[in-house]
Amino acid sequence: DAGVIQSPRHEVTEMGQEVTLRCKPISGHDYLFWYRQTMMRGLELLIYFNNNVPIDDSGMPEDRFSAKMPNASFSTLKIQPSEPRDSAVYFCASSFMAGSGETQYFGPGTRLLVL
Amino acid sequence: AQSVAQPEDQVNVAEGNPLTVKCTYSVSGNPYLFWYVQYPNRGLQFLLKYITGDNLVKGSYGFEAEFNKSQTSFHLKKPSALVSDSALYFCAVRPPSGYSTLTFGKGTMLLVSP
Repeated sequence: DAGVIQSPRHEVTEMGQEVTLRCKPISGHDYLFWYRQTMMRGLELLIYFNNNVPIDDSGMPEDRFSAKMPNASFSTLKIQPSEPRDSAVYFCASSFMAGSGETQYFGPGTRLLVL
Repeated sequence: AQSVAQPEDQVNVAEGNPLTVKCTYSVSGNPYLFWYVQYPNRGLQFLLKYITGDNLVKGSYGFEAEFNKSQTSFHLKKPSALVSDSALYFCAVRPPSGYSTLTFGKGTMLLVSP
């Protein structure tokens, strides 16, 4: 398996622009997670899905952030409009709820810089 | 709510020496515990996990961790450090009942000098 795939790997945009980050989870996994990593706040969970349904979006910082999972093999995280404080590395992770002790597998991340 | 503490921001060790990266946790019930490693400009990679059974868990790259329930700790160890082990290490916890998300520590930077 290719692992979790994220695109783009790097994104530089200007404040106010829309940003869309993409994720393809590992085939067969039924959970998908979006995280954000910054020096100041560490690793933060933004939202997670189970069987394509959003379960908990309490970590989404504000209404400018939205996430979708239209099918089992694709998810997007959108920021509109983007702000400089959104600059961070965004990770997608997936796991299979096999009963207990499921392991989350992370993608390589998207490094976002908002100017 | 569960929480994880990694008391050291950075650990320095010489190559060939044993290393320990500390982790303590707080959770109701028996926890599921994980260690991940992050190399520069990479995603987090799974190293090992404790679910139940033997308190000493062996994982990737020669790492192991010991679950200590009385001390609520899950320290990561390796008998002989390599320069290539230099990376950011994260401990994570989740409670066993139902499904909930992992709670990650803030991470510990491990620097192994030649």
